[in-house]
Amino acid sequence: GAVVSQHPSRVICKSGTSVKIECRSLDFQATTMFWYRQFPKKSLMLMATSNEGSKATYEQGVEKDKFLINHASLTLSTLTVTSAHPEDSSFYICSARGGAGSFFGQGTRLTVV
Amino acid sequence: SQQGEEDPQALSIQEGENATMNCSYKTSINNLQWYRQNSGRGLVHLILIRSNEREKHSGRLRVTLDTSKKSSSLLITASRAADTASYFCAPGGFTDKLIFGTGTRLQVFP
Repeated sequence: GAVVSQHPSRVICKSGTSVKIECRSLDFQATTMFWYRQFPKKSLMLMATSNEGSKATYEQGVEKDKFLINHASLTLSTLTVTSAHPEDSSFYICSARGGAGSFFGQGTRLTVV
Repeated sequence: SQQGEEDPQALSIQEGENATMNCSYKTSINNLQWYRQNSGRGLVHLILIRSNEREKHSGRLRVTLDTSKKSSSLLITASRAADTASYFCAPGGFTDKLIFGTGTRLQVFP
């Protein structure tokens, strides 16, 4: 199946700093990628839809200035958590849509201390 | 976009038994995808079934789709302890964003 690589898999950062998470589709082009957040024992919550070459579309309640999304190419989207706070600690997962379906990265465990 | 509702919420079986989980949705779709998520990991794409297909197989997985009832089922045959995970369905179209429900938590005991 199609491969989506997400990096890093785990990151610890200090409050107030920014963290960038990368999502790459390795063997297909993805004009659309999605970013999700997942709390422990909960389902995935869609944060935003990332379209190559245009601005991301954010779901209601998601702060676009805090969660900056860039989709610079057909194989790469990045999520930057700016001025991170402990409440931003979570599991973040990206998804890339291809012709055969939507495929997910391995997830990034973010811990803000 | 719409959210699929998985049923049951939790399922416990012994190794070697079959596991069946269901998904219901509300409006017409172009396709439906099933995913598996192991604890603390990303989602693994299991299978995509299109609206004009009624059944699809992949290894020990069998997926059915009944568009008249707006439902799908995922059958895992001869389950293994390694099948222990949460399973999610995602109904929609090729341009839809995927919205997830709470999934079915499958526990397979050795």
